[in-house]
Amino acid sequence: DAKTTQPTSMDCAEGRAANLPCNHSTISGNEYVYWYRQIHSQGPQYIIHGLKNNETNEMASLIITEDRKSSTLILPHATLRDTAVYYCIVILWGATNKLIFGTGTLLAVQP
Amino acid sequence: NAGVTQTPKFQVLKTGQSMTLQCAQDMNHNSMYWYRQDPGMGLRLIYYSASEGTTDKGEVPNGYNVSRLNKREFSLRLESAAPSQTSVYFCASSDLQDGQPQHFGDGTRLSIL
Repeated sequence: DAKTTQPTSMDCAEGRAANLPCNHSTISGNEYVYWYRQIHSQGPQYIIHGLKNNETNEMASLIITEDRKSSTLILPHATLRDTAVYYCIVILWGATNKLIFGTGTLLAVQP
Repeated sequence: NAGVTQTPKFQVLKTGQSMTLQCAQDMNHNSMYWYRQDPGMGLRLIYYSASEGTTDKGEVPNGYNVSRLNKREFSLRLESAAPSQTSVYFCASSDLQDGQPQHFGDGTRLSIL
């Protein structure tokens, strides 16, 4: 599975868009990009995933570059409740679907 | 809609004691996983069960055993607890179909003195 690189921490003003980057330069053609978040030591919460195309759901948007070597998670209107550690994970789906977590990005939403 | 349920939520053990962490899911998922999370770190996979009747080691299996009791339940056992096993333990489940995310429980906070 490809490794990912994320900034250690980021700040965002409440109500503004939060853009969280992730580099995965060694990603292979059939590996998915997943985003999870963890709020204050709760269990990780699934946010969104994609393979090649940009994706949007009720929580966020995922923008994947054309070469798939990086992606950006966008929270369109960040709230204080979005303060969490965000994990970008690249995974090849198959027999086990094991997730490999890095240290993630601590997003602090400021009032 | 319970999802993934872990018991207990908190536990304090003495070194050398044994205990079993329980996990149950009600989503009819094939795969189940046990992770541990130490302070300031991401989750690390201990063991997983790709389907009922199978279990395999993950990244940090030493000191642990698991049992896939049935499709719903996956337990993690510490035979002789050590202070290095003080951690938060998370259970997760998923389907093996492409793109299906893992769903996590709320964790068991385990302290070993």
